[in-house]
Amino acid sequence: GAVVSQHPSWVICKSGTSVKIECRSLDFQATTMFWYRQFPKQSLMLMATSNEGSKATYEQGVEKDKFLINHASLTLSTLTVTSAHPEDSSFYICSASQGDTEAFFGQGTRLTVV
Amino acid sequence: GDSVTQMEGPVTLSEEAFLTINCTYTATGYPSLFWYVQYPGEGLQLLLKATKADDKGSNKGFEATYRKETTSFHLEKGSVQVSDSAVYFCARAYSSASKIIFGSGTRLSIRP
Repeated sequence: GAVVSQHPSWVICKSGTSVKIECRSLDFQATTMFWYRQFPKQSLMLMATSNEGSKATYEQGVEKDKFLINHASLTLSTLTVTSAHPEDSSFYICSASQGDTEAFFGQGTRLTVV
Repeated sequence: GDSVTQMEGPVTLSEEAFLTINCTYTATGYPSLFWYVQYPGEGLQLLLKATKADDKGSNKGFEATYRKETTSFHLEKGSVQVSDSAVYFCARAYSSASKIIFGSGTRLSIRP
């Protein structure tokens, strides 16, 4: 299947700083990318949907000013966690799809805010 | 709203045992249904899918049949292996590329 790469795979940051997570589709052009958050031993919760060249659509309860999503090209979307706090510590996963094809998932990024 | 409900884990089985993980869904239309697997420390991988009623998805010995009458998509495997130990997520979406709604996940552990 197609490859979606997330970077970094893990990051530790200090409270109050911002962290950027990248999601790249390596061998296809991703018209749509999704960002999910997964708490320990829980399911994935969709945070937002982003289409290339347009603003992301956030799910209810997700702060768009805190979780900035940019989908500037057909192969790259970024999630920036601004002014991170310990409660933002989580596993963040992206997925990408081209048109109506299957969505492929990245390997995830574990964020720890200390 | 639309949702996916799957049996709670953890599920612990001996190698070569029969596996069933139940999954039911609610939806206003006719979604596609998926099973994803997450191995320790890794992201999600699509295990199998079915896009319409009575379709059977299968992969790696796992099977699931889209049952519209019972709104179910139970995952089964006839003989599990230690390497099947992982977390399994049932999910639905209105198309392969639309947002996916996941169940809570079921952790499966297989004893040698």
